[in-house]
Amino acid sequence: SAVISQKPSRDICQRGTSLTIQCQVDSQVTMMFWYRQQPGQSLTLIATANQGSEATYESGFVIDKFPISRPNLTFSTLTVSNMSPEDSSIYLCSVTVSTGTNSPLHFGNGTRLTVT
Amino acid sequence: AQKVTQAQTEISVVEKEDVTLDCVYETRDTTYYLFWYKQPPSGELVFLIRRNSFDEQNEISGRYSWNFQKSTSSFNFTITASQVVDSAVYFCALSEARDKIIFGKGTRLHILP
Repeated sequence: SAVISQKPSRDICQRGTSLTIQCQVDSQVTMMFWYRQQPGQSLTLIATANQGSEATYESGFVIDKFPISRPNLTFSTLTVSNMSPEDSSIYLCSVTVSTGTNSPLHFGNGTRLTVT
Repeated sequence: AQKVTQAQTEISVVEKEDVTLDCVYETRDTTYYLFWYKQPPSGELVFLIRRNSFDEQNEISGRYSWNFQKSTSSFNFTITASQVVDSAVYFCALSEARDKIIFGKGTRLHILP
């Protein structure tokens, strides 16, 4: 499996500001995804980070609020823009490392975001 | 549309008891994959198992076993002789295509010493 590093591991931000979260993988991976886990809740898929093209967003998530970059096969960023307290969550980067379809996801340790 | 239901929000058992976590899924696809993940108090997500829709064989891995039944759209997870270290939130998940995985709401398992 891949080693996935997320930075920062946690942050406290003021409303109206933006935070960029970085995800670095120690090997080239096929797919990269960003999930959100609100306090005490399950994981919700925000978007699929596509290498060299625009991310594919899930219903309820838009590029203006959550811009994503993926410049290569080992790195991606997620920005949480114009934050409000409702954005307080854990944000998780995940990857699939196998070439087969529907491979298991492996997760980074997440970024715990608190918006005040 | 795909959906995963984990009806048990929270379960508490005494150490060494067996415990089964239920998972029911909905999908229109004939090809799909099911997963279980563990999230201990430290927060990281740990992949436990993947099962594809064409393989209904039950699987056992140490104290863990999984019962996949397409007839009832269920993929239940049993821990035998539970231990305190098994305390965690367990998520069942489903993937239809594009490697997109949808998670259930999770079951919080407390193993009491």
